[in-house]
Amino acid sequence: GENVEQHPSTLSVQEGDSAVIKCTYSDSASNYFPWYKQELGKGPQLIIDIRSNVGEKKDQRIAVTLNKTAKHFSLHITETQPEDSAVYFCAARPNTGNQFYFGTGTSLTVIP
Amino acid sequence: EAGVTQFPSHSVIEKGQTVTLRCDPISGHDNLYWYRRVMGKEIKFLLHFVKESKQDESGMPNNRFLAERTGGTYSTLKVQPAELEDSGVYFCASSQVWGAEAFFGQGTRLTVV
Repeated sequence: GENVEQHPSTLSVQEGDSAVIKCTYSDSASNYFPWYKQELGKGPQLIIDIRSNVGEKKDQRIAVTLNKTAKHFSLHITETQPEDSAVYFCAARPNTGNQFYFGTGTSLTVIP
Repeated sequence: EAGVTQFPSHSVIEKGQTVTLRCDPISGHDNLYWYRRVMGKEIKFLLHFVKESKQDESGMPNNRFLAERTGGTYSTLKVQPAELEDSGVYFCASSQVWGAEAFFGQGTRLTVV
């Protein structure tokens, strides 16, 4: 089955700096890669996603890149703000099923 | 529009007891999923309903776990009898159609002591 690895597990950045979280996956059948943000006391919320026919997608300060050949994808947050502090999860979904395979999460702290 | 709602938000039970978690998906969402996160690890898939039918239950850990979705609306996940290793956060998610974005509930934190 699919195996998703996520790094780093914790990340601290100064406000205004950029943050990058990286994930790798193992199943070449995966074709959908969402990123979720989980704030304290809340459930994971989709912030951006990318499909395998696209190499990059951007939404304001958030961008995701996908390298299908290397089987890795990354989340980039620019001009970080304290409200970006949360746990971020990457996930992959193979085209053979409907379940998501998640990474272990990255706890991001933005220091004011 | 109400999001995915889960009850209770927290539950502390003793080993050997029974606990039932409930999930109310977004109205009209036929697809309902249960996931679990054991402390510090990844969020792992448990099972997937399409309406009232179990589409995929390959992630259910063992026969102490029973999920139901009678009538294709809300779902329950029963753990009986609970063991220490069942502790974690149980998430429910729903999506309107296969392949669409999944919306997650806030989770139920289960602690078995």
